[in-house]
Amino acid sequence: GAVVSQHPSWVICKSGTSVKIECRSLDFQATTMFWYRQFPKQSLMLMATSNEGSKATYEQGVEKDKFLINHASLTLSTLTVTSAHPEDSSFYICSAKAERTDTQYFGPGTRLTVL
Amino acid sequence: AQKITQTQPGMFVQEKEAVTLDCTYDTSDQSYGLFWYKQPSSGEMIFLIYQGSYDEQNATEGRYSLNFQKARKSANLVISASQLGDSAMYFCAMREGPDSGYALNFGKGTSLLVTP
Repeated sequence: GAVVSQHPSWVICKSGTSVKIECRSLDFQATTMFWYRQFPKQSLMLMATSNEGSKATYEQGVEKDKFLINHASLTLSTLTVTSAHPEDSSFYICSAKAERTDTQYFGPGTRLTVL
Repeated sequence: AQKITQTQPGMFVQEKEAVTLDCTYDTSDQSYGLFWYKQPSSGEMIFLIYQGSYDEQNATEGRYSLNFQKARKSANLVISASQLGDSAMYFCAMREGPDSGYALNFGKGTSLLVTP
């Protein structure tokens, strides 16, 4: 149990385009989902926390207009990188947590390359 | 300030031996949770083990055990009988109280290489 999927697993796009990444909890209801970013050989950095049906809470320094997060259902959250630039190239990874549990389960990640 | 400290950037261990990966944490919360995740080269984060701050016994999951020393604020991961497939990055993480939104703070990670 506790499977989280992420789609796409990798994406290459041109500078200025928008990219949408989906995060789904397959076998549990995720009341809270988290989006992280990871640069090569570094740790995960939290970008935002989203609760189902609410606006996402962004970490300091993360532009909410650039990284749009939607958590419309208990099994799906999306991250849209708008007007992507090469500096947005990174590994984006989501996690999901069920209500009244502590453990976050992670998706397999999406590798974004912006040319 | 760094909330999770992993002081070992890299570790080597021989196959079938045990290895301890260090983790210290900093929090003023009474209720918190400590996690260890494994990240192989594929990038996925694999949950290994969890310890709640109120748990009196050290957590164990198969070959993984967490050496929880609350007074020292340490939560070391012990992997027994290492296997070649254990080679990966290992991250220690902490979940603080409700005010943090239950997000995880990660350490910088330890790269473990298991040799034949």
